[in-house]
Amino acid sequence: EVQLVQSGAEVKKPGESLRISCKGSGYSFTSYWISWVRQMPGKGLEWMGRIDPSDSYTNYSPSFQGHVTISADKSISTAYLQWSSLKASDTAMYYCARLFGSSGRDAFDIWGQGTMVTVSS
Amino acid sequence: DIQMTQSPSTLSASVGDRVTITCRASQSISSWLAWYQQKPGKAPKLLIYKASSLESGVPSRFSGSGSGTEFTLTISSLQPDDFATYYCQQYNSYSLTFGGGTKVEIK
Repeated sequence: EVQLVQSGAEVKKPGESLRISCKGSGYSFTSYWISWVRQMPGKGLEWMGRIDPSDSYTNYSPSFQGHVTISADKSISTAYLQWSSLKASDTAMYYCARLFGSSGRDAFDIWGQGTMVTVSS
Repeated sequence: DIQMTQSPSTLSASVGDRVTITCRASQSISSWLAWYQQKPGKAPKLLIYKASSLESGVPSRFSGSGSGTEFTLTISSLQPDDFATYYCQQYNSYSLTFGGGTKVEIK
């Protein structure tokens, strides 16, 4: 079964760092781009950025550039989303999703189950 | 960024109704449009890609149409399992963007 499995919910304080993960299985992890998508409470979907796991090439939405870092370890088929200094406004559900084709510009055909990040003092 | 505008934002309908949701792009995106369904507490699910191609396993009551800047998602006969929020997404540009969503509620 093709799937993306994300790490569990996190509760953090403002200013703390965090890395969440997304592990792919059932397919060739290096053949498809992975993206991260944010969903703030009660709100819509926002694309954050993408990574090509084969070479770790990344690009970001202008809205998230400089605020988060996307990385991947192809040896363990895992992508990451990290923050160096969390803010309360980072409270959201974060999804990883596989891009359908190999161009990096496509629909999302497989989604992780989501990781809820809560930032509160 | 290409802006995607969905309408309506909320739609009240009954089981068996034909439902149409519209998505407009701020510039031409050819047919590079996808539709997703999201239920509360769950990840989105791909329904339609390339504007009108049905994803494997998705019921045939779902259909998509359009090109350029105007697109529609149609549910031919609304079923109880279809009450959810629907999003469009463009992938004409490398900066991917979603519409704001349309919540389909029980009338």
